[in-house]
This record gives sequence, structure tokens and C-alpha cells, in this order.
Amino acid sequence: EAQVTQNPRYLITVTGKKLTVTCSQNMNHEYMSWYRQDPGLGLRQIYYSMNVEVTDKGDVPEGYKVSRKEKRNFPLILESPSPNQTSLYFCASSIAGKTGELFFGEGSRLTVL
Amino acid sequence: GQQLNQSPQSMFIQEGEDVSMNCTSSSIFNTWLWYKQDPGEGPVLLIALYKAGELTSNGRLTAQFGITRKDSFLNISASIPSDVGIYFCAGQKNTGTASKLTFGTGTRLQVTL
Repeated sequence: EAQVTQNPRYLITVTGKKLTVTCSQNMNHEYMSWYRQDPGLGLRQIYYSMNVEVTDKGDVPEGYKVSRKEKRNFPLILESPSPNQTSLYFCASSIAGKTGELFFGEGSRLTVL
Repeated sequence: GQQLNQSPQSMFIQEGEDVSMNCTSSSIFNTWLWYKQDPGEGPVLLIALYKAGELTSNGRLTAQFGITRKDSFLNISASIPSDVGIYFCAGQKNTGTASKLTFGTGTRLQVTL
């Protein structure tokens, strides 16, 4: 089954404690992206990657890091989480030629206390 | 950043009614897309539009790419309970590239029996 898998699905953590949200896709997609969803603000892009070792900032990259060492994986790293990073996070992927036609993961709800 | 004005923000309708929602922008897009998000899940692509004036259907859903390239609408005919969810429009300036996908803030649809 074609899917984008995120882990963890739910996490409560404390300010400053580094965490990583993993994302893996099994569709051999070149393009991967991270979004955060906040009430009233829709989906905002954090980082994206056109292919292995190629990453770039989206609209709201501050406080986040990403890496793309393998085609299937695109982890999101919060080096020092803060309460304003409490949000619902989505990983998504697509083929290179249609980066608007995204396959989304089920989401990771993160709470930073 | 770019803004997509999506309306209405929410709507309550009775089963069997038709639904119409739209998305407008101050700038031109080359691609318009419509996604649906079920509760607790990630968005799923419903329809992608690549040509101004294009009218595309997917079952009971019909979407159009506005002739000015600054708007799009989505219609749902004969709504059913499983149509409940949040509908997002998204616009992209350069089709197929890593050009940013801008999402609207969503229309929350509730269907009553």
C-alpha cells in the first residue's frame, strides 16, 4: 500500500528537549515536504526537498532542521523545541513533476510544555 | 506571503444538498488543487486543475480553474455524511517545480441527516 508514515503520531515534550519526527514514503517519490497546521492558518510549509541531499526552506523554517540522506526518509528535527512549535505536523511527498499533487502522512501532534 | 481567501469558513448543510465553496487570490496561479482532510487524518487530493477555464469532475465533486487564474471553486452535489471534513484549496505558481504551494485556510463542512 502506497503511504507516507510519520512517527510519533502524538508527543508531549518539554521546552529545550531535542526531538525528531520521522517520515518515510514507499512510493519512490523525489519530492518531500513538511507542513505545520495551526487553527485559522491552514497549512504552512516548513522545509522541502527536491531529492536526496537537496533541501530548502519553506515559509516557516525557524527552529527546524531537516535532512535527506535517503530518498525515502525526510526527518524533521527540533533542536530546542519551544511552546510556539506546538502544532500538528504533516509530512508529504510527490513525484518531481507534480509537486502540487501531494500524498500526506497521517500527522504528528506535538505539544511543547 | 501570498494569501488565499477561502470561503465560507464553515458550513452546515443537510444531507442531499449541494455545496459550493471558493478560493480567491490577489495573484495568479498556474495550478489549482483541492484537498479534503478527514478528522484525525492528513489531507487527500481531490482534484488538480492545470489550465485556466478547466472544469474537472471527480464523482460528485466538480472544480473549476477560474479564467483569470486568480480563483477556483469546488462544488459537491447531493452531499452525504462522509463528505464531512475540511476542504482546502491550494495554488501553485509554477507547475511541476518546487514552486511553493499556498494553501487556503479551509472550509469546514458539517452534514446533518
